[in-house]
Amino acid sequence: EAQVTQNPRYLITVTGKKLTVTCSQNMNHEYMSWYRQDPGLGLRQIYYSMNVEVTDKGDVPEGYKVSRKEKRNFPLILESPSPNQTSLYFCASSLWGPRTSGRWDEQYFGPGTRLTVT
Amino acid sequence: GDSVTQMEGPVTLSEEAFLTINCTYTATGYPSLFWYVQYPGEGLQLLLKATKADDKGSNKGFEATYRKETTSFHLEKGSVQVSDSAVYFCALGDAGNNRKLIWGLGTSLAVNP
Repeated sequence: EAQVTQNPRYLITVTGKKLTVTCSQNMNHEYMSWYRQDPGLGLRQIYYSMNVEVTDKGDVPEGYKVSRKEKRNFPLILESPSPNQTSLYFCASSLWGPRTSGRWDEQYFGPGTRLTVT
Repeated sequence: GDSVTQMEGPVTLSEEAFLTINCTYTATGYPSLFWYVQYPGEGLQLLLKATKADDKGSNKGFEATYRKETTSFHLEKGSVQVSDSAVYFCALGDAGNNRKLIWGLGTSLAVNP
């Protein structure tokens, strides 16, 4: 089954304790991204990756790191989490990123990771 | 810059009622337009899309027409079901230099039996 998986689904942690949220897709997609979803703020992109070893900042990258060593995996790293990073996080992937024609492919989203930082 | 504005929710309807969720946009160039749906406890999934003016996207009884003259992409369904209860997101694929996906804030829909 074609899917994007995220782990863990739920996480409660304390300020300053490093954590990693994993994301994996089995569709051979080139483009992957991370979003956070907050009430009243909608979806905001944290980081994205056009392909292996290529990552770039989205709209709210502060406090986050990513890596893309393999095509299928795109982990999100919080080196020193703070309470303002309490949120619902989504990983997404698509066949390609924005094409030169301007077209966008369908984004496939993971089920989400609810993170609470106390 | 480009932007998407959706009607605020929550929207509450009775089963079999007609649904409209308004979405308007500002953009340079000719963006692609999308509606995504998020069911409770799940990630977003594509509902429908349109890539050029006057295109109509449709899926699962939902429709939306890309109106360049009114810069709108309103989502409609003739008869909603309880199972349509979800959050609906309008999104714009920037075709210009920014090359970003711009998301609306989402509209929550609750359908009562």
